[in-house]
Amino acid sequence: DAEITQSPRHKITETGRQVTLACHQTWNHNNMFWYRQDLGHGLRLIHYSYGVQDTNKGEVSDGYSVSRSNTEDLPLTLESAASSQTSVYFCASSPNRGFADTQYFGPGTRLTVL
Amino acid sequence: AQSVTQLDSQVPVFEEAPVELRCNYSSSVSVYLFWYVQYPNQGLQLLLKYLSGSTLVKGINGFEAEFNKSQTSFHLRKPSVHISDTAEYFCAVSVPLSGNTPLVFGKGTRLSVIA
Repeated sequence: DAEITQSPRHKITETGRQVTLACHQTWNHNNMFWYRQDLGHGLRLIHYSYGVQDTNKGEVSDGYSVSRSNTEDLPLTLESAASSQTSVYFCASSPNRGFADTQYFGPGTRLTVL
Repeated sequence: AQSVTQLDSQVPVFEEAPVELRCNYSSSVSVYLFWYVQYPNQGLQLLLKYLSGSTLVKGINGFEAEFNKSQTSFHLRKPSVHISDTAEYFCAVSVPLSGNTPLVFGKGTRLSVIA
């Protein structure tokens, strides 16, 4: 079955380190998204991509970067981890670019920055 | 820019009782509206969505929602809840205009079903 996976599921790192969270989908969806989930804030969009070589900033993109070199993967990099980036991170994908599209979510990565 | 307000952060309800989770949005143009559910330690999955047509939308697991344009609301309802409905529910809005981000989520409502 097609799916979307995230790794690692849990990560503890130190302030100032570079961290990369992986997202891989086997649906062949063009669109991929990264969100962070924090208590009291719901889900906030970090970055998104509408296809290979395309990336766009979301609402809370400072301190994060993404690159899209193939259809299946959209890794999220924290350039220099900060305690404020402790959060649960979700990757999602959707097949079409339309605003009516359903997004399909991965299981999440819990990141703790000490 | 579009925004979504979920009026209740937590809703406790007894098993087999009805429930309504409230959602209001702000937009001066037409919107698409979604409800997603997040079960403990899982990602989100779609419950239902309104794109056009009938204002009453039926989703999975017996949930339904009604789009009310004049009140800019999209409340989620279930006539009789089960323990397994305990989860966090997110309302989301999409405004189909060039340059807009694809989906904006509310802060979520935690539904706790009590036996």
